[in-house]
Amino acid sequence: AQSVAQPEDQVNVAEGNPLTVKCTYSVSGNPYLFWYVQYPNRGLQFLLKYITGDNLVKGSYGFEAEFNKSQTSFHLKKPSALVSDSALYFCAVRDIRYGNKLVFGAGTILRVKS
Amino acid sequence: GAGVSQTPSNKVTEKGKYVELRCDPISGHTALYWYRQSLGQGPEFLIYFQGTGAADDSGLPNDRFFAVRPEGSVSTLKIQRTERGDSAVYLCASSAGTGVSGELFFGEGSRLTVL
Repeated sequence: AQSVAQPEDQVNVAEGNPLTVKCTYSVSGNPYLFWYVQYPNRGLQFLLKYITGDNLVKGSYGFEAEFNKSQTSFHLKKPSALVSDSALYFCAVRDIRYGNKLVFGAGTILRVKS
Repeated sequence: GAGVSQTPSNKVTEKGKYVELRCDPISGHTALYWYRQSLGQGPEFLIYFQGTGAADDSGLPNDRFFAVRPEGSVSTLKIQRTERGDSAVYLCASSAGTGVSGELFFGEGSRLTVL
């Protein structure tokens, strides 16, 4: 079965600095990978996804993620962090061998300080 | 509205009671998912509908949990004989089409507290 690991419970970064939120995955077939963001007391919002093609995918709010098959990683990045980026971030994977369900990681809290 | 709507937003009940949580997906979305999110954890898959049928119910924790989607639109998650461990935020999501590449669009959740 598919699984996702987000090794950092929390990431702290200064405003204006680049940020990275890490994600590694495990699937038996080709992965479909997603990033979501959750603000306090709100539902999850879709940021970006990797299905196929270019390993660098760009998404909402200036975020991007790089798919690395050899390292089974899909790290979320942003060149210049904003205080408003502070939120809970979830990586998720879908392995179509196991149907359409999306399996989520435990989440990483991102804190951007001014 | 344009997004996924969930009601109630908050539900407090007593141990042993029956609870229903409702989800109204984005219009035209054929796929509907239920997840459960406990404090400090990621969303945990419960069940997935394609149209009216449950295509994957492997995440339902036990037979106290049941979900229906009789007309292929609105879905209801039903929990019998609630236990304190059922306390969580129940999230509903919908997705267009049957493709595996589609992203899920989530509602704001129903927070269930079992006393």
